[in-house]
Amino acid sequence: QVQLQESGPGLVKPSQTLSLTCTVSGGSISSGSYYWSWIRQPAGKGLEWIGRIYTSGSTNYNPSLKSRVTISVDTSKNQFSLKLSSVTAADTAVYYCARGCIAADIYYFDYWGQGTLVTVSS
Amino acid sequence: SYVLTQPPSVSVAPGKTARITCGGNNIGSKSVHWYQQKPGQAPVLVIYYDSDRPSGIPERFSGSNSGNTATLTISRVEAGDEADYYCQVWDSSSDPTGVVFGGGTKLTVL
Repeated sequence: QVQLQESGPGLVKPSQTLSLTCTVSGGSISSGSYYWSWIRQPAGKGLEWIGRIYTSGSTNYNPSLKSRVTISVDTSKNQFSLKLSSVTAADTAVYYCARGCIAADIYYFDYWGQGTLVTVSS
Repeated sequence: SYVLTQPPSVSVAPGKTARITCGGNNIGSKSVHWYQQKPGQAPVLVIYYDSDRPSGIPERFSGSNSGNTATLTISRVEAGDEADYYCQVWDSSSDPTGVVFGGGTKLTVL
């Protein structure tokens, strides 16, 4: 059973960089046709996809966040990470990591982390 | 960019059938996936590839997709089905490509 766990600071100051790590257990991050994604959800609002990475390092980002986002992968640690720069209060949200299954033009999330709340405040 | 439109809320009595729609331009040409999210929990995949159910999801959950509307149908609704439901597609028709979520529908069991 694959499990994902987010970790990182729960409080980030405005203009600083938000950094989160997702640790994958129960399977290798390098096995299979999976892209690993970050998704966020502000309180009381819907889901917003941030971006994804393949273990080759290939990435895709949400155009609305692309200028501030970097997603990386460390296969030796079975982890992938998110960095979001120049944060504001609008970046306050629960951040989820998820495993994405891919086939041609199809992509969906079959495993999710429990989510971690990140608050942007001075 | 591609837009998915869901009704903000749907209400249904226990034992009845709930239908949650997800509208998008020619969505029938895409593969639609559905997630259930209960308060304080991470989303759970309930339907993928328009109508397939992951292991462990009750047969009461089904999906369809045609034209400009995809539909999640929950038969014999139970109190435990009360949750937010999100549809999702991979948009390869726009540049750049990316994941698109609907705005979510809150299912209330009366």
